[in-house]
Amino acid sequence: DIQMTQSPSSLSASVGDRVTITCRASQSIANYLNWYQQKPGKAPNLLIYSASNLQSGVPSRFSGSGSATDFTLTISSLQPEDFGAYYCQQSYSAPYTFGQGTKVEI
Amino acid sequence: QVQLQESGPGLVEPSQTLSLTCTVSGGSISSGPYYWSWIRQHPGKGLEWIGYIYYSGSTYYNPSLKSRVTMSVDTSKNQFSLKVLSVTAADTAVYYCARLYSGNYSLSFDYWGQGALVTVSS
Repeated sequence: DIQMTQSPSSLSASVGDRVTITCRASQSIANYLNWYQQKPGKAPNLLIYSASNLQSGVPSRFSGSGSATDFTLTISSLQPEDFGAYYCQQSYSAPYTFGQGTKVEI
Repeated sequence: QVQLQESGPGLVEPSQTLSLTCTVSGGSISSGPYYWSWIRQHPGKGLEWIGYIYYSGSTYYNPSLKSRVTMSVDTSKNQFSLKVLSVTAADTAVYYCARLYSGNYSLSFDYWGQGALVTVSS
């Protein structure tokens, strides 16, 4: 299985801050990397697909970059509604695996 | 707008079978490049992909659960289902159904159900 490792595991930031979350794959996954946001008690919501493509309806302050093994999710200006957990997920090879998550507190 | 909704018992006794159904609305389960998936999340933990089923009935199960998992699809009801055999407390989790969309060089879970908490306990 491909292992996905996120950092940091948690972070605290202020409204307006630029926030960066990184995700590393245990082997090259090309650009088959997705990012999800999950709020407490809710299902995950797709933010970014194929490493850098913004899902329809997702605010433009979210962006993704990277390829092969190293990826980044950036929130350009953190908003109060951006609290929650963020997960990366590889879809290069089944079984599809997720990172352990990054909890964002504001 | 596609919607998914899980249904099934919230409490299952150890050694019994966990059964969940996902009903899809707002679109046909038989159309498009979609693979219908199950994902679970242990309390306070991360996400674990269980497997998927295509409308034709073909399946792929996570090897970590393969020996205990069965998925089926009922296109007439626009539903797909999950069975996990011989459950233990370690199977206690929130179970999500989700649509896995296969696009042009992309594969992502774009629609999710709200989740169903299943507790394994006597």
